[in-house]
Amino acid sequence: DAGVIQSPRHEVTEMGQEVTLRCKPISGHDYLFWYRQTMMRGLELLIYFNNNVPIDDSGMPEDRFSAKMPNASFSTLKIQPSEPRDSAVYFCASSTWTGAVGQPQHFGDGTRLSIL
Amino acid sequence: LAKTTQPISMDSYEGQEVNITCSHNNIATNDYITWYQQFPSQGPRFIIQGYKTKVTNEVASLFIPADRKSSTLSLPRVSLSDTAVYYCPLFSGNTGKLIFGQGTTLQVKP
Repeated sequence: DAGVIQSPRHEVTEMGQEVTLRCKPISGHDYLFWYRQTMMRGLELLIYFNNNVPIDDSGMPEDRFSAKMPNASFSTLKIQPSEPRDSAVYFCASSTWTGAVGQPQHFGDGTRLSIL
Repeated sequence: LAKTTQPISMDSYEGQEVNITCSHNNIATNDYITWYQQFPSQGPRFIIQGYKTKVTNEVASLFIPADRKSSTLSLPRVSLSDTAVYYCPLFSGNTGKLIFGQGTTLQVKP
């Protein structure tokens, strides 16, 4: 079974440009999470979806960030306009529930984003 | 959902048992204790999860005291390939969210 697939693996762009990060969760998983990792702030949860519906976006830093999940097999995280402080590794993770117990989150290998 | 506190770094030698502690004083009733491992340029990978007492799987053991305010991940006979960052995020049984702390960098030496 394929794991969580993220693209691109690396993205370098100039300040002000629009950036779109993509994620394909594991088939059958109904939870999808977007995280950001930096040296200063560690791993931060940005937003998560359940059954394609955004549940909690309180971690989204500001209006420049938006996330969508048009179907169960695809999600995007968009930054517009991008700024140098957005440089980080962005991870997508997916999971599901079995009865009353949540199952472990499976992470992709991340997108390393550099904003010049 | 509370953040957790861990030592910043630890050193060990191949073949030794390593115990990494995690403090979670504000753990809620519906929170589970989980441990993840992260290698450079990869996403975190699940190791083990528990609610109370002791849990063991093929790679690690997790010890949780009765008050659940701390936990200890035990890695038996570590090898060089166990060099990684280890996180102990709390998993909310209500929301499914994980909140990560700063992690422990484990360096295994030959």
